[in-house]
Amino acid sequence: DAKTTQPPSMDCAEGRAANLPCNHSTISGNEYVYWYRQIHSQGPQYIIHGLKNNETNEMASLIITEDRKSSTLILPHATLRDTAVYYCIVRVVFGNEKLTFGTGTRLTIIP
Amino acid sequence: ETGVTQTPRHLVMGMTNKKSLKCEQHLGHNAMYWYKQSAKKPLELMFVYNFKEQTENNSVPSRFSPECPNSSHLFLHLHTLQPEDSALYLCASSLGQSTYEQYFGPGTRLTVT
Repeated sequence: DAKTTQPPSMDCAEGRAANLPCNHSTISGNEYVYWYRQIHSQGPQYIIHGLKNNETNEMASLIITEDRKSSTLILPHATLRDTAVYYCIVRVVFGNEKLTFGTGTRLTIIP
Repeated sequence: ETGVTQTPRHLVMGMTNKKSLKCEQHLGHNAMYWYKQSAKKPLELMFVYNFKEQTENNSVPSRFSPECPNSSHLFLHLHTLQPEDSALYLCASSLGQSTYEQYFGPGTRLTVT
């Protein structure tokens, strides 16, 4: 059963902010929201995670709505190297739950 | 460079061959994973090892045989594979099985002829 819904593809102009949405309307109180990305023919790369507060690191910002039913990953100044498939995943951290990847959003950065 | 290396990066094998994929992590992690990524399909978890013990086998056919001799090394032994087993095989590690981040290797692109 898919726990998250993402648009299959998005384009963003180079230098602009890329905003990637994710719906997770059935998220449980103890599930975190994770984002990974996979550049073509490479292994997935961890980006960021959060529970209910907004989070920011050197790669991106994660905005989680107050009801936690959706979130947005923001890449503030997209570059061509950000072209990748972005996966939004919800997962309980403690309890050995699997990291289950869906089909993600294919983000293309346009020069 | 994630600290997780995989060899070989590319492998072509016949259906009667026996080969092994190797994964090594230099991160001091205790959990290691094998994933399979077929064309146009999501990543599928195959096996999980935590402190060298297998904790998950996701209904993987016996022609795939994992081995974890220590916390830094993970192998996937392959024999009598089918063409539909052609895929990108990814290894990952994490500090523990319940921790936040998994670090992935670059993968082995396997083609079964």
